[in-house]
Amino acid sequence: DGGITQSPKYLFRKEGQNVTLSCEQNLNHDAMYWYRQDPGQGLRLIYYSQIVNDFQKGDIAEGYSVSREKKESFPLTVTSAQKNPTAFYLCASMGQGGANVLTFGAGSRLTVL
Amino acid sequence: AQKITQTQPGMFVQEKEAVTLDCTYDTSDPSYGLFWYKQPSSGEMIFLIYQGSYDQQNATEGRYSLNFQKARKSANLVISASQLGDSAMYFCAMRDREYGNKLVFGAGTILRVKS
Repeated sequence: DGGITQSPKYLFRKEGQNVTLSCEQNLNHDAMYWYRQDPGQGLRLIYYSQIVNDFQKGDIAEGYSVSREKKESFPLTVTSAQKNPTAFYLCASMGQGGANVLTFGAGSRLTVL
Repeated sequence: AQKITQTQPGMFVQEKEAVTLDCTYDTSDPSYGLFWYKQPSSGEMIFLIYQGSYDQQNATEGRYSLNFQKARKSANLVISASQLGDSAMYFCAMRDREYGNKLVFGAGTILRVKS
């Protein structure tokens, strides 16, 4: 079945460490997105990419970095510069045409110790 | 810029009854799309229903329907015959064509279905 795979599901990090969250999709979608969700709040966009080797900052990009070397993959690195990285991270993708429905992965929960 | 407002932090509904979750939006784009997603406690986001700004009829998907009132800029989700499995967080969202078709989300409404 086609879908989006995020890993790891749970991640613990010490302060000052960089961590990378994986996002892989086999939907042949061009556009991919990273959202952050804090408890009891909506989703906020971190970065997005509409084509390979190109990406743009979203609303809260500071302290994060991404790459898009392959169509299927859009990893997110949470750097030590991110002041409050503890959150739930959701990766999504979107195909062309139609209603442009975002398909989401199951999410990765990052906790900074 | 697009803005989505969900004014109900939490709602209760009796099993088998209908419930309406409110959503209002603001945009200057004449062509827009509105979405509803469900987020169970496991965390995944499940797409429920979509309404395009030029759609003449309100969208329906099984027990879900969207009460779209364009003049009032509202897009309320109606869930009929509530089930215990409907207990979740519900998000209203709007597509932002200026930023790669990203979705702008509201703060969400927690729905609890009582038996």
